[in-house]
Amino acid sequence: QKEVEQDPGPLSVPEGAIVSLNCTYSNSAFQYFMWYRQYSRKGPELLMYTYSSGNKEDGRFTAQVDKSSKYISLFIRDSQPSDSATYLCAMRLQGAQKLVFGQGTRLTINP
Amino acid sequence: GAGVSQSPRYKVAKRGQDVALRCDPISGHVSLFWYQQALGQGPEFLTYFQNEAQLDKSGLPSDRFFAERPEGSVSTLKIQRTQQEDSAVYLCASRLGGRETQYFGPGTRLLVL
Repeated sequence: QKEVEQDPGPLSVPEGAIVSLNCTYSNSAFQYFMWYRQYSRKGPELLMYTYSSGNKEDGRFTAQVDKSSKYISLFIRDSQPSDSATYLCAMRLQGAQKLVFGQGTRLTINP
Repeated sequence: GAGVSQSPRYKVAKRGQDVALRCDPISGHVSLFWYQQALGQGPEFLTYFQNEAQLDKSGLPSDRFFAERPEGSVSTLKIQRTQQEDSAVYLCASRLGGRETQYFGPGTRLLVL
């Protein structure tokens, strides 16, 4: 079993829909949680970063961390075709440098 | 400003050949990471440098993989005697000291035949 589990999808939704992306993890020591977006043939780019539990909002994006359930989520409001990409969750231990990624969820927003 | 650049962007190697992949990090970024991304998977950590010091190489899959960053800037990932299972995208990322964000390059797509 992988440390970080993420449904690979694919997920296809109409433009304007609310998208919910999720990851579960097994190591309760993870403290730093990120969401990356990766377009085809490109490197990942950081979307959201959260330390420990709680919510964080940035424009149309909201990240949630529930450490008690070992579950993190990314919500995208008013989704746009330009949001079509693979979304990767990643996490890091306190004091460690490396990121542990989920498999990625491939998302398509249909106009 | 310029982002992380990697070269070559594509590499085809015959099984058994040695390859060298280059990463030019963002100027001034102290930390440098290498990740391996298999098709349909998330990136997997290979190794981490702080300046020229390789502080973590726990993710290197075998002794055929070797990375260096001799002057604390450009880094090279070398794979000796390539195998088909080495086929993947190799991503480099750099990070400014004390910050969380890792900035990724576009990757080198390696295909071993």
